Amino acid sequence: GQSLEQPSEVTAVEGAIVQINCTYQTSGFYGLSWYQQHDGGAPTFLSYNALDGLEETGRFSSFLSRSDSYGYLLLQELQMKDSASYFCAVRDRPDNQGGKLIFGQGTELSVKP
Amino acid sequence: ETGVTQTPRHLVMGMTNKKSLKCEQHLGHNAMYWYKQSAKKPLELMFVYNFKEQTENNSVPSRFSPECPNSSHLFLHLHTLQPEDSALYLCASSQAQREQFFGPGTRLTVL
Repeated sequence: GQSLEQPSEVTAVEGAIVQINCTYQTSGFYGLSWYQQHDGGAPTFLSYNALDGLEETGRFSSFLSRSDSYGYLLLQELQMKDSASYFCAVRDRPDNQGGKLIFGQGTELSVKP
Repeated sequence: ETGVTQTPRHLVMGMTNKKSLKCEQHLGHNAMYWYKQSAKKPLELMFVYNFKEQTENNSVPSRFSPECPNSSHLFLHLHTLQPEDSALYLCASSQAQREQFFGPGTRLTVL
């Protein structure tokens, strides 16, 4: 089967740094993405890693190690508005073969004052 | 209007009703998707359309029937649903299939 594992809940305080891990077992791998979803809202794209290493976008960074089938999302200088659910997702096939995203169950991040 | 829009935002229906969900994308994308999101569960892919052709049906019951008349519009026709079908139904679109843009969703309640 295909599965992505991530913690169900994480709690941190404002200004802190938090790391959300994602391990995957999929039939194919064509990139790891992260999405943020606020309660009652639509998922929004945060980052994408196709190659090993760290991608940085402002306060958010995402890391990938394909040999370990592992990635993480790093959130720095946490703000209250970062309280949301965070999903990792793997594309299982190339674009021209109808690749689709397989989502993890989501990590609910609570940022406390 | 920009992005991905969905109507209605909320829908309550009985098990014998027929209703349709509508999705429209204004981004010029060639792929559109229907997802189901139940409480505390990951997003479940239902259907994928590429250039108006259905390329994925993820073992979805026949009481859900998709329609894609053109690359900007996607419908999900609902018929004889069950209470367990109550969920948030999300539409998304993409071009390079790297990043998907989601609509706000339709919160469906089946009585």
